[in-house]
Formats: sequence, structure tokens, C-alpha cells
Amino acid sequence: EAGVAQSPRYKIIEKRQSVAFWCNPISGHATLYWYQQILGQGPKLLIQFQNNGVVDDSQLPKDRFSAERLKGVDSTLKIQPAKLEDSAVYLCASSSMTGRVEAFFGQGTRLTVV
Amino acid sequence: AQSVTQPDIHITVSEGASLELRCNYSYGATPYLFWYVQSPGQGLQLLLKYFSGDTLVQGIKGFEAEFKRSQSSFNLRKPSVHWSDAAEYFCAVGARAAGNKLTFGGGTRVLVKP
Repeated sequence: EAGVAQSPRYKIIEKRQSVAFWCNPISGHATLYWYQQILGQGPKLLIQFQNNGVVDDSQLPKDRFSAERLKGVDSTLKIQPAKLEDSAVYLCASSSMTGRVEAFFGQGTRLTVV
Repeated sequence: AQSVTQPDIHITVSEGASLELRCNYSYGATPYLFWYVQSPGQGLQLLLKYFSGDTLVQGIKGFEAEFKRSQSSFNLRKPSVHWSDAAEYFCAVGARAAGNKLTFGGGTRVLVKP
């Protein structure tokens, strides 16, 4: 079974530029999560999708961050404009709607804003 | 609201010695509990999980954890540490009532001395 795929693995941008990350969840997983992991901290949920609807985006800085999950499969997370404090690893995870809440994580995208 | 505390930021152990990582959670009902491991530059790998039933759970790589409801704890243990266990370990709590999202602790970095 293929895991959660994320791209790119690394990205370096200047502040005020825009950036987008892509995630392809495990086939059949209806729930998709984006987490932000700042160096030295645990992951923090940014947004949760159920199919193509948003379940929780209470921690998403909506003035600069946006995310979409068209067709309920792939997802894109965008930052525009980026700030220095957005430097972090962005992790995508997915889980099945049925059964329990076990989430499977991708390898993440490491963003450096300079 | 869910919360997770990992009191130890760093732990150094000698190879072959035992390891115990502490995790305390806060949640009104019985949560789902997880331990993840993260090696440098990698995503999160699930070590073990607790949903219900036997409070001592076995995981991969020789790890086990014990759920103690009275102490709101879910400590991770390994009888004999290998050099390859050097990594960062995250405890997480989730619940269906909370939309299945995971809340992570701040992590414990484990260093293994030869």
C-alpha cells in the first residue's frame, strides 16, 4: 500500500513570496490533515478535511494560509505572503473515516523562509 | 480541549540500557493515545497505539506503553535501547468526539551513548 506522498521535500523562499505544497493521501482515506511542525516543537494541526469539506481550520492563519482539497483526494496548502516565522516542516496525514483515528504521515516538506 | 505534556525535552541513555519516556494527557473522556517516532529529516512513524482494552500495548521495534487512567499517563518503554533508537519521540492524543484530530506533545529527544 502506497503511503502519503508529499512534494516538494524542501523549499527555500524569500519572505513575502508565495509557496504551495502538495499532498496525495493514502487511497481511500477520506480524512486529510495538514500539520505545521516548527523546529523543536510537536506538530500542530492547521486544517482537517473530510472528503472535500473542511472539518477544522481554527488554527489556520487565514490571512496568509489557504488549503483546498478538490475532488476529495489530493490537497494543496498555500502560503502567501510568507513570513520568516513560517519556516517549519509541513506534514500531511490521512486516515480512514471508518474505524479508528490512526493517522498516517507523509515525510513532510521543509520550508525555509529567508 | 485535549492537551499532551511530555515533561522531558532530552534524555540520554547508554546503549543496552532501559528507556522510559513520560507522557501525560488531558481529556475529559478516554482518548485514543499514540506514540510516534521521528528520525531527522523524516516524517512521523507510528510506534504503537491505544484505543481500548488491555492497558499494556506492544508496538514495533520492541517498544511498549502502558495506559494508566488514574494518572492520565501513557508512558513509553523499551527494555534495551539500540543506537538506532536515537530520534525524537512524540506522544499524541486523539478522540472521535474531537473530530479525530491529533494533539501532540512537545516531543522528547533521545540520545544514545555507545
